[in-house]
Amino acid sequence: AQSVTQLDSHVSVSEGTPVLLRCNYSSSYSPSLFWYVQHPNKGLQLLLKYTSAATLVKGINGFEAEFKKSETSFHLTKPSAHMSDAAEYFCVVSDGGATNKLIFGTGTLLAVQP
Amino acid sequence: EAQVTQNPRYLITVTGKKLTVTCSQNMNHEYMSWYRQDPGLGLRQIYYSMNVEVTDKGDVPEGYKVSRKEKRNFPLILESPSPNQTSLYFCASSLFGGYTEAFFGQGTRLTVV
Repeated sequence: AQSVTQLDSHVSVSEGTPVLLRCNYSSSYSPSLFWYVQHPNKGLQLLLKYTSAATLVKGINGFEAEFKKSETSFHLTKPSAHMSDAAEYFCVVSDGGATNKLIFGTGTLLAVQP
Repeated sequence: EAQVTQNPRYLITVTGKKLTVTCSQNMNHEYMSWYRQDPGLGLRQIYYSMNVEVTDKGDVPEGYKVSRKEKRNFPLILESPSPNQTSLYFCASSLFGGYTEAFFGQGTRLTVV
């Protein structure tokens, strides 16, 4: 069965410093992987997705993620944090089977200090 | 504008009083689903629908019902709400599910007292 583990429930960075949000996945076949962001009192928005093309995926707002099959990881990074990046981030894997459902990690809350 | 619209945004109700949360999408998507979000648990799928008149249980379906009579609408029904259904609910739609991008509604915060 597919699953994702987000290794940090909270991450705090200073504005202008790099962001790293860690995600490991478990999948019995080549997965589709996503990062979604949820700002306070908002719905979820897609940041980026990996679907077996290039292993380095670029998303919106300067975020990117690298698919590493050998490490079963899909970490999210950004070179320089902005105050507006403060939000909750979810790593997601697609079931890809009969249900086509999304399986969510438990989320990482990113705080950005001025 | 492409969007998923949920109503209401906030709802406080009493145990046992039937309620419906509506969800509508304007993107002609085949796949729609309902999730609940609880602290520390991420989002868990309640029900999903791959097409009109085709619905199936997700991971946490107990106490919920859905219907898909039209492509654009996918209401969530709580026949007899209980306090353990207090949660934040999201409706989502995507072209086919799976690897296709999911679009989420703004969420419905439900409190059952």
